[in-house]
Amino acid sequence: DTEVTQTPKHLVMGMTNKKSLKCEQHMGHRAMYWYKQKAKKPPELMFVYSYEKLSINESVPSRFSPECPNSSLLNLHLHALQPEDSALYLCASSQPGRQTTDTQYFGPGTRLTVL
Amino acid sequence: QQQVKQSPQSLIVQKGGISIINCAYENTAFDYFPWYQQFPGKGPALLIAIRPDVSEKKEGRFTISFNKSAKQFSLHIMDSQPGDSATYFCAARKWDSWGKLQFGAGTQVVVTP
Repeated sequence: DTEVTQTPKHLVMGMTNKKSLKCEQHMGHRAMYWYKQKAKKPPELMFVYSYEKLSINESVPSRFSPECPNSSLLNLHLHALQPEDSALYLCASSQPGRQTTDTQYFGPGTRLTVL
Repeated sequence: QQQVKQSPQSLIVQKGGISIINCAYENTAFDYFPWYQQFPGKGPALLIAIRPDVSEKKEGRFTISFNKSAKQFSLHIMDSQPGDSATYFCAARKWDSWGKLQFGAGTQVVVTP
């Protein structure tokens, strides 16, 4: 099973709301990623977790707060977002490590709209 | 600064034709080059990947050609089908980078019946 699941599929929120995106995988991967993708653009890396520890934060604004509660789950907590944060948020997983070249498997994404 | 340059931006090909997408890179530390296929509203899916010690890799109708000296690689889709209509991203990754992928800008491929 090479499936990464993400919930919800769609999310509409106001700028003062707090919401969370969830990602789950059962492939035994110990690296998980959050990407942001704007229309007609490639995915942009936001965060990398390796063995449940944050390895990369690509200078993402603090209104995005990642959390990796266990090896199968990855959350992205959202607070006080701006309309320009509207995008497709993708989760991915792979084998971990600084020196990994393993395939990343992507989930279907959460389409986020900030009003 | 885009580390992987991809062309063309879009491509229209007739059913049965060949689609060719090209990518170029500068960083010789890259050592893994995957191609992802993305349909509208879906996440990217790995299509095929190559390492620089191999000049060509074929999987079904999809072939990667790799030119290490020119720092270029390309995707060829043979016998293109309407179901191949999607956006294709090339990417590159350094061995020592926590798996961070550098994506090209993407190519939207449309296969006409």
